Amino acid sequence: DIQLTQSPSFLSASVGDRVTITCRASQGISTYLVWYQQTPGKAPKVLIYGASTLQSGAPSRFSGSGSGTDFTLTINYLQPEDFATYYCQQVKNYPPTFGPGTKVDVK
Amino acid sequence: EVKLVESGGGLVPPGGSLRLSCAASGFTFRSYWMSWVRQAPGKGPEWVASIKQDGNEKWYVDSVKGRFTISRDNAKNSLSLQMTSLTAEDTAMYFCARDPYPPPSFFDYGGQGTLVTVSS
Repeated sequence: DIQLTQSPSFLSASVGDRVTITCRASQGISTYLVWYQQTPGKAPKVLIYGASTLQSGAPSRFSGSGSGTDFTLTINYLQPEDFATYYCQQVKNYPPTFGPGTKVDVK
Repeated sequence: EVKLVESGGGLVPPGGSLRLSCAASGFTFRSYWMSWVRQAPGKGPEWVASIKQDGNEKWYVDSVKGRFTISRDNAKNSLSLQMTSLTAEDTAMYFCARDPYPPPSFFDYGGQGTLVTVSS
């Protein structure tokens, strides 16, 4: 199985900050990388797929980049509703696997 | 509006069985692959199983093969997960999810989840 690691595990930030989260795959996955946002009590919600394509309805302050093994999720001008946990997922190989998550909380 | 509503979770002893259901609405259910995804307390999500539009192709994560069975009823817009030989490692919130692509795929909609607790 392809393993995903995320850094940092926790991140404290303020409204208006620019936030960057990284995801690294244990082997090359081209751009088969997805980013989700999850708030307590809800299912994860997809933000980015194909490493950099913004999901319909996701705010444009979210962007993704990377290919191969290294990927980045950037949130520009962090908003109050962005305090959440973010997960990456690879969909290159079976089984699709998720990273351990990055929790973004209030500084 | 896409809506997925899970039910059937609960407390079950080790070795027991449980059947989860998902009622889908707001989209053409028979046109989509559907999946179950679970999330243990404090952990990241884990894909569990997927089923093709006509029900004739099913994929499972290795840890549940032979114990879990995914099925669907397109006439009733419903998805099910039959779980047997449950262990503590199966304790999790189980989400029903819609897949925009064949597996391996991400999901573009998920339900609110149903909690399965395996404990004596």
